[in-house]
Amino acid sequence: AQKVTQAQTEISVVEKEDVTLDCVYETRDTTYYLFWYKQPPSGELVFLIRRNSFDEQNEISGRYSWNFQKSTSSFNFTITASQVVDSAVYFCALPSYQGGKLIFGQGTELSVKP
Amino acid sequence: SQTIHQWPATLVQPVGSPLSLECTVEGTSNPNLYWYRQAAGRGLQLLFYSVGIGQISSEVPQNLSASRPQDRQFILSSKKLLLSDSGFYLCASGGGRGANVLTFGAGSRLTVL
Repeated sequence: AQKVTQAQTEISVVEKEDVTLDCVYETRDTTYYLFWYKQPPSGELVFLIRRNSFDEQNEISGRYSWNFQKSTSSFNFTITASQVVDSAVYFCALPSYQGGKLIFGQGTELSVKP
Repeated sequence: SQTIHQWPATLVQPVGSPLSLECTVEGTSNPNLYWYRQAAGRGLQLLFYSVGIGQISSEVPQNLSASRPQDRQFILSSKKLLLSDSGFYLCASGGGRGANVLTFGAGSRLTVL
């Protein structure tokens, strides 16, 4: 069965701290994609990144970085020098076998305090 | 790039009343379309998806139904709302096996009293 687990339900940090959001997934596919989305207080889900299982190189985009490890089925997301605007719920997701649906984890609510 | 329009943004309805939430998509043709619900807490539950006009797949049995009368129009309906239908409803477009990114609308917040 396919499954995405985000064990951290809530994380609270002080501005400028680094924070890592964990994501563990299960899939039978040998080739697959993984996604991270951000849901700010406004509610709309914003796409952050898509990674192909072939590419295990870490991805860095500004203060954001992603660590994909196929051996442990993990796709963790790190925010460096966090800012108040990073406060949001973050979702990790995996495409389903059918219909192109995305299977989402339960989300991690990140609160960055000034 | 795609743009998803959802309306109404906010809705307060009494139990037993009907519901219609509408979603339209710009910037693409023949998209896969999805309705997700986010109840209290954070989990995103897929309710319906559609791969074409008139083609609807339901993920969970419920009080709601969906229709796709046009290629880029997706409607979520109910004949009689229940308290448990309260939540945040998100329409999404895109998907497809593997790489395609889902683009989400701004959502419709429904409160059933």
